[in-house]
Amino acid sequence: GAGVSQTPSNKVTEKGKYVELRCDPISGHTALYWYRQSLGQGPEFLIYFQGTGAADDSGLPNDRFFAVRPEGSVSTLKIQRTERGDSAVYLCASSLNGITEAFFGQGTRLTVV
Amino acid sequence: AQSVSQHNHHVILSEAASLELGCNYSYGGTVNLFWYVQYPGQHLQLLLKYFSGDPLVKGIKGFEAEFIKSKLSFNLRIPSVQWSDTAEYFCAVISGGGADGLTFGKGTHLIIQP
Repeated sequence: GAGVSQTPSNKVTEKGKYVELRCDPISGHTALYWYRQSLGQGPEFLIYFQGTGAADDSGLPNDRFFAVRPEGSVSTLKIQRTERGDSAVYLCASSLNGITEAFFGQGTRLTVV
Repeated sequence: AQSVSQHNHHVILSEAASLELGCNYSYGGTVNLFWYVQYPGQHLQLLLKYFSGDPLVKGIKGFEAEFIKSKLSFNLRIPSVQWSDTAEYFCAVISGGGADGLTFGKGTHLIIQP
């Protein structure tokens, strides 16, 4: 595709449930980033992939959060036992090589009720 | 770890005013610098970038940003704001040759009154 695609665009889930958020980066981009953005705040870094491996996962808030990128393209952010505090917009971005500019998707708005 | 500070969190101006948004980063090595903009209801878009060369980078509508290495700064200047410039503006930095990822500031919410 032409840009970064995130699905679903909106997700409402009950507290305690498991969710998966998907990101399709721009074809050929080796770097992929996940961020979380709350209303009125800047993007909060979660995890950064170079190829298939997580170059930096220091932003994952706890062990309920996990992300994979098994073939170096599509990535899935997984959240177990969701809590109301996990409600936010989850942003994905990709970059050609992790040095040049990142392109963002529209985000997935997660609401935990 | 790299950190980015934006000094103005909320700015309200009238059209035609000029504006400078401050951005400072903490890591003094080689950096790539960015300004992103997020218009209401839209995704983050790249506004300006600096990798090397002329430290004054220019974009559309007269937007410009200046990299001052000695101050670890990359301030954004808008010479004459328009109502359509109402948005969130984020400064971001890549350092460590990309190993440190892309770090954002908390953003500035700019509101332009017509």
